[in-house]
Amino acid sequence: GAGVSQSPSNKVTEKGKDVELRCDPISGHTALYWYRQSLGQGLEFLIYFQGNSAPDKSGLPSDRFSAERTGGSVSTLTIQRTQQEDSAVYLCASSRTGSINTEAFFGQGTRLTVV
Amino acid sequence: EDQVTQSPEALRLQEGESSSLNCSYTVSGLRGLFWYRQDPGKGPEFLFTLYSAGEEKEKERLKATLTKKESFLHITAPKPEDSATYLCAVRPTGNQFYFGTGTSLTVIP
Repeated sequence: GAGVSQSPSNKVTEKGKDVELRCDPISGHTALYWYRQSLGQGLEFLIYFQGNSAPDKSGLPSDRFSAERTGGSVSTLTIQRTQQEDSAVYLCASSRTGSINTEAFFGQGTRLTVV
Repeated sequence: EDQVTQSPEALRLQEGESSSLNCSYTVSGLRGLFWYRQDPGKGPEFLFTLYSAGEEKEKERLKATLTKKESFLHITAPKPEDSATYLCAVRPTGNQFYFGTGTSLTVIP
């Protein structure tokens, strides 16, 4: 596709339920990032995928969060037993390569509200 | 600890009134500094990458510059459509971008 696509754009869920957020990166991009943006806060790194390498999960805030990337393309971020503090905008980005001087392109984000 | 600080937090300009936004950073081994624009309810939109001190990049009314300690985003004769939050990010060694909290720019007609 022309850009990074995320779905759903909005998700309201009840506390304690599980949610899945999807990211479809730019075609051919090997690197994929998940970030979280809370109101008034900066972007918080969650996880990084590069090609077939093991993901960097160092930013995941708890073991309720997990992510996978199938076939080096689409990624799914799963939050189990959601809590109110999980409410935020979840942003996915992709880069042409994993090189550290390569810019990342972001999707529109998924706004998650836990009630 | 790697840090990125942006100032001011908010800036209101009259249309046509030029100004600059600042991004200062303390990182070990800068490999790139990135500027993004974010409109409400949308994801960040890539603007520029700067790699080394002294480098400058321009796009329409925006010009980004880089020194060893900070970067400036100069806005010349801004228009209302330039209103947005401007984010800078650095990528030291490692797998993540470190973002500042942004400058919210409002340009008044």
